[in-house]
Amino acid sequence: EEQLLESGGGLVQPGGSLRLSCAASGFTFNNYAMNWVRQAPGKGLEWVSIISGSAATTHYADSIKGRFTISRDNSKNTLYLQMDSLRADDTAVYYCARSDWRRSDSFDIWGQGTLVTVSS
Amino acid sequence: QSVMTQPPSVSGAPGQRVTISCTGSSSNIGTGYDVHWYRHLPGTAPKLLIFGHNNRPSGVPDRFSGSRSGTSASLAITGLQVEDEADYYCQSYDSSLSGYVFGSGTRVTVL
Repeated sequence: EEQLLESGGGLVQPGGSLRLSCAASGFTFNNYAMNWVRQAPGKGLEWVSIISGSAATTHYADSIKGRFTISRDNSKNTLYLQMDSLRADDTAVYYCARSDWRRSDSFDIWGQGTLVTVSS
Repeated sequence: QSVMTQPPSVSGAPGQRVTISCTGSSSNIGTGYDVHWYRHLPGTAPKLLIFGHNNRPSGVPDRFSGSRSGTSASLAITGLQVEDEADYYCQSYDSSLSGYVFGSGTRVTVL
């Protein structure tokens, strides 16, 4: 079964850092681009970042550009999101999601999410 | 504020048909970028319902269908069921933002 499992969320103070992980299983990880998507409390889904299968290309939403870094370790089938200079408005559930090139790059597999709370 | 607008809520009785609109612009849907639709129950993993305007992944019933016209797209749900109660989001790519965008989301309520 194709699965994604996030971890690493928690409570962090404003200005602090956190690294999220997303472990993939059941598919050939390096064949797919991967994304991070978040949902703040009471808000809708917001795309955060994407990384290509080879890790050669990355893109970021303007709201987190310069503060977050997406990366992946294909030998470990794991996606990461390094979050620095965290702000209160970064509080959200963070999901990892697979881009499926066979389905017009839609996000076909999602994890259950990990909660990040930025508060003093 | 999302660059793609959806009605905050729609409702219908069991068995009825409801539609959810997704209004974009010339930098996303209007350019011809694919539109996808997701169902989401908060606290759970979002689920892909429609990809590439009107294609359903295996396992998604044909009660769900998508369409696109100009700078807008729509999701239709026929034969509404209680288990269809959830939040629904459209998604596309935006060339001005150089990234993916989600619609503002629509809560479907079954009366």
